Order: sequence, then C-alpha cells, then structure tokens
Amino acid sequence: QQQVKQSPQSLIVQKGGISIINCAYENTAFDYFPWYQQFPGKGPALLIAIRPDVSEKKEGRFTISFNKSAKQFSLHIMDSQPGDSATYFCARLNLVFGKGTRLSVIA
Amino acid sequence: GAVVSQHPSRVICKSGTSVKIECRSLDFQATTMFWYRQFPKQSLMLMATSNEGSKATYEQGVEKDKFLINHASLTLSTLTVTSAHPEDSSFYICSAQSLAGAQETQYFGPGTRLLVL
Repeated sequence: QQQVKQSPQSLIVQKGGISIINCAYENTAFDYFPWYQQFPGKGPALLIAIRPDVSEKKEGRFTISFNKSAKQFSLHIMDSQPGDSATYFCARLNLVFGKGTRLSVIA
Repeated sequence: GAVVSQHPSRVICKSGTSVKIECRSLDFQATTMFWYRQFPKQSLMLMATSNEGSKATYEQGVEKDKFLINHASLTLSTLTVTSAHPEDSSFYICSAQSLAGAQETQYFGPGTRLLVL
C-alpha cells in the first residue's frame, strides 16, 4: 500500500500560536487529501480537504497547503485553542491514514 | 452534516463468542461503507470496503471468514467478529460514502470499542 508519512508525532503549542502538521505521500495518482480530527474515544471527523489543483485551501482557522512537486501537504491551525487539542490524521483518499499527530494546546 | 451511527458503542464479550457491530447512515444513502480498526494510540487501518448488494473487499491480511461484513441496504452495514479473541480487542470504526455527495466524502461513525476477555 502507498503510505503517507506524518510528522510530528506529537506537538505542544501555546494558546494563540500556530500548529503545523506535515504529511508526505508517495504516489501522485491520488487527487484527494483530507485531514481528520479525532478526540479520545470518538470517531474521526473531517476537518478540511484539498485537491492538488490548488496550492492552498483555507476554512476558518484551518489551512491546508499543498506542494505537489514535493509531494507534501500540511495543516496549519491558526490561533490555536485548548479545544483544538486532539489527534490529527492526514490521509490518502480515505484508504491509508498517517500515524497521527497528538496536538496539545496549552494556555 | 450527514450522520453515521454505530451500535453498540461499547461491547465486552468472552473469548470464542461472536460480536455484531452495526453501522447506519441516518440521513443519507450510502453505496459504499468502510470498516476500520484502530488500536490504542495508533492510526486507522482500513479492514474492508463494503458495497451494497455485493461482497465486501478485504484489505490484505484481514481474514474475511473472521470479519464478516454484510451490506444489506443503502443505510446499513454490519461487521461480525466471529470467534473473537483478546487480540481482536480494538476500536472499530465505520464510515459511509454518500450516494449524492462528492465521491471522496465520507462520514465516520463514533466507533465501537470491543473488549474480548
């Protein structure tokens, strides 16, 4: 299976700061790159997704940046809040998920 | 947004018994449903893809005779863990792909935590 490599594994950010999570993929044949947010004991919820025909997509405080040549895409959370503390997963389509990033936003 | 439910949310069973988990799309029809397994602090692993009215497609390494999937209608898919063993203890999550929405859009259920004693 094609993999998606996600980093960092964990991240601690001060309230109000920017959280950045990165993913790298291996195959350019896929045209849908979602990010999911998961709270403990809950199923994942789609946060934001991008297609490679655009380099950036913004929804509220969440932005995806896509670098097709580098085969990377990243999630930026602006003005991070304690309520954003969760595990974030990137995915290739919805078939292969990254290992997850545990985000902790501290006051 | 679209809602997917799972039942039960949590189940404890004895080793050797079978457990059925239901996944329902509550306000939309789903041609395709997906079943994932997630071990503690790990990522989601796709187990199988279920299409209404046809046999499920299992990922490599997933035993189809152990994890029985039935997708009898456009709103219901079931996963049965047969002869469960402690190593099957995990968080099982389904997702449903809307018939009307974008092909890649999936809605995840809240998950079912299975503990096999």
